[in-house]
Amino acid sequence: ELKVEQNPLFLSMQEGKNYTIYCNYSTTSDRLYWYRQDPGKSLESLFVLLSNGAVKQEGRLMASLDTKARLSTLHITAAVHDLSATYFCAVVPTGNQFYFGTGTSLTVIP
Amino acid sequence: KAGVTQTPRYLIKTRGQQVTLSCSPISGHRSVSWYQQTPGQGLQFLFEYFSETQRNKGNFPGRFSGRQFSNSRSEMNVSTLELGDSALYLCASSLLSTRTSYNEQFFGPGTRLTVL
Repeated sequence: ELKVEQNPLFLSMQEGKNYTIYCNYSTTSDRLYWYRQDPGKSLESLFVLLSNGAVKQEGRLMASLDTKARLSTLHITAAVHDLSATYFCAVVPTGNQFYFGTGTSLTVIP
Repeated sequence: KAGVTQTPRYLIKTRGQQVTLSCSPISGHRSVSWYQQTPGQGLQFLFEYFSETQRNKGNFPGRFSGRQFSNSRSEMNVSTLELGDSALYLCASSLLSTRTSYNEQFFGPGTRLTVL
């Protein structure tokens, strides 16, 4: 059974601090996606990682992919309140079927 | 370019009824996927349609069905509703172009279904 697990499930952090969200998956996938979801809203695409060693950065968020370890990380630098949301990773082993992680609910405290 | 639209946004039904949800993809996108999101199970893939054909199906009972029209708009239907069907139903569209090495899914705002 394919599993996509995120760690931690809940994260409360102070503004200005750094933290990393982990995404482990159990199947081969040469693509990994990160999405953000605000409460009551839809999913917004953040990053698409296409190859082993890929690193993408946007503002205070940086994502990386290690396909051999089947691990992706989403690093948050100097968190601000606006980053409070739920973050999902997703893999696509075949075709166009996305398998989403469990989600990490991030709360940034002033 | 307009995004993915879903109607209705909110729906309240009672057990045993059936419901139809609609999704209009981004113009030019030919693939439409449906997901169910619940607090307990997270985001689960229902099915994907491309050029009016179902290409993939998730692990859901036959009460969940869908279709796609020639203009790429898609509908999903849930018959004999159960309490556990209460969820946010998300639709996503993809371009599925052979000119790109990957396909990105763009999500609609979702339909919040409550079954009483």
